[in-house]
Amino acid sequence: QLQLQESGPGLVKPSETLSLTCTVSGGSISSSSYYWGWIRQPPGKGLEWIGSIYYSGSTYYNPSLKSRVTISVDTSKNQFSLKLSSVTAADTAVYYCARVRYSSELDYWGQGTLVTVSS
Amino acid sequence: QSALTQPASVSGSPGQSITISCTGTSSDVGSYNLVSWYQQHPGKAPKLMIYEVSKRPSGVSNRFSGSKSGNTASLTISGLQAEDEADYYCCSYAGSSTGVFGGGTKLTVL
Repeated sequence: QLQLQESGPGLVKPSETLSLTCTVSGGSISSSSYYWGWIRQPPGKGLEWIGSIYYSGSTYYNPSLKSRVTISVDTSKNQFSLKLSSVTAADTAVYYCARVRYSSELDYWGQGTLVTVSS
Repeated sequence: QSALTQPASVSGSPGQSITISCTGTSSDVGSYNLVSWYQQHPGKAPKLMIYEVSKRPSGVSNRFSGSKSGNTASLTISGLQAEDEADYYCCSYAGSSTGVFGGGTKLTVL
C-alpha cells in the first residue's frame, strides 16, 4: 500500500523559507504514470494547490505562488520536497503531499503537517 | 486561476439525497473531463471519492456519483448516512499540469 509522510519544522519565522519533505513508501516515485504534489489548507479554510513535480524533475506551480515556490525530487531517496520563501502569517497551514494522477487527481495523501509562521 | 465555486453548506436527512455543485469556467471545468471530488473529515486528510467527473475509486460506495454539464460539475450522495457528514471539495484540471480546488462545502446530516 502506497504511503506518503510529510516531515519538516512545525514553526517558521516570518520572511524565512519553509522547507518540507515527503517520503514515499510502498511504491516508486520514479513511476512514469504519476506526478507528486503539494497542497495546503489554512486553519478552518479550504484546500489550495501549490504545485507538482514529475520524477524527471519537471515542475508545475500555481501561478499565485510561483515566485516563491520550489519543488524538487530525489529519486534515490524516494522523496520530493517543497520550499516556500519569504513566508508570512498567511502561509500558516496544514501542508499535504499527494500522488497526482492525470495532472490533477490526488489519489494518495499524506497525513498532513501543520506549519505555523510566527516569530 | 480562480477557485471553483461551491455552496458553503448543504444538509439532508438520513436516507435522502443531496447534490453539491461546483462551478468553474471554460478554462477549467468546461474544458476537461478531469473533475475530482474529495471528502474530508475533521482533522483528517482528504479522500478521493470521484475522479474523471463520474468514476469511483475502488472501495468508494456507489451512493456517491458525479456528473458535469458545461462549466458546472456536481456530486450527488444518495441514501445519506451519518458518516457522510464531512467537508467536500471539488477539483478541476486547470491546464499546465495544475489543478484548482473549490472553496469546499460542509455537509450536515440532520
